[in-house]
Amino acid sequence: NAGVMQNPRHLVRRRGQEARLRCSPMKGHSHVYWYRQLPEEGLKFMVYLQKENIIDESGMPKERFSAEFPKEGPSILRIQQVVRGDSAAYFCASSPPRFLAGVYEQFFGPGTRLTVL
Amino acid sequence: AQKVTQAQTEISVVEKEDVTLDCVYETRDTTYYLFWYKQPPSGELVFLIRRNSFDEQNEISGRYSWNFQKSTSSFNFTITASQVVDSAVYFCALSEAIGDDKIIFGKGTRLHILP
Repeated sequence: NAGVMQNPRHLVRRRGQEARLRCSPMKGHSHVYWYRQLPEEGLKFMVYLQKENIIDESGMPKERFSAEFPKEGPSILRIQQVVRGDSAAYFCASSPPRFLAGVYEQFFGPGTRLTVL
Repeated sequence: AQKVTQAQTEISVVEKEDVTLDCVYETRDTTYYLFWYKQPPSGELVFLIRRNSFDEQNEISGRYSWNFQKSTSSFNFTITASQVVDSAVYFCALSEAIGDDKIIFGKGTRLHILP
């Protein structure tokens, strides 16, 4: 059973370009979470999605950032017009539906390291 | 509001010494989960432990042990007989048991094990 997959693992963009980060949850998991880790910081929650629904986006910057988790395919975190301050590691986590797990747990992917030049 | 504080930013110990990483949390929930994660230099996040708020038993796993004290809202992590491979950043984290499940992380403690 493959773990959470993220790609690319490293992404370099110039200021003003778009960044697309992909997350494939573990098989059977319908919940996806995105976290951002700025240099020398802990992880900060960004957004929580279920298939085709955004459940909580309280941690998302108001502009330039968006996330989706379509019925088919991976979850995408999209950053438009990137700036240097977007340079960070972006982690995705997935979890199964609550009713299938007596205790929920989030499984983390390896992260995507975004560098904005 | 939920909050996790790891007061120790950086710790250095000599190999084979014991070391304790402190974690203090704040939450108004009566039911919650506490976690520890390890982030080695390679950058991935390694899950170490999850603790339910109703289970205050201390846990030991090999050289690792955890001390959960609800009375002081602390969830400290001890590495016994440290090894160089233990060098990493360690994060303590908290999540509601009921709700939107987001995990609140502390800022981490960078642990250096010196040979």
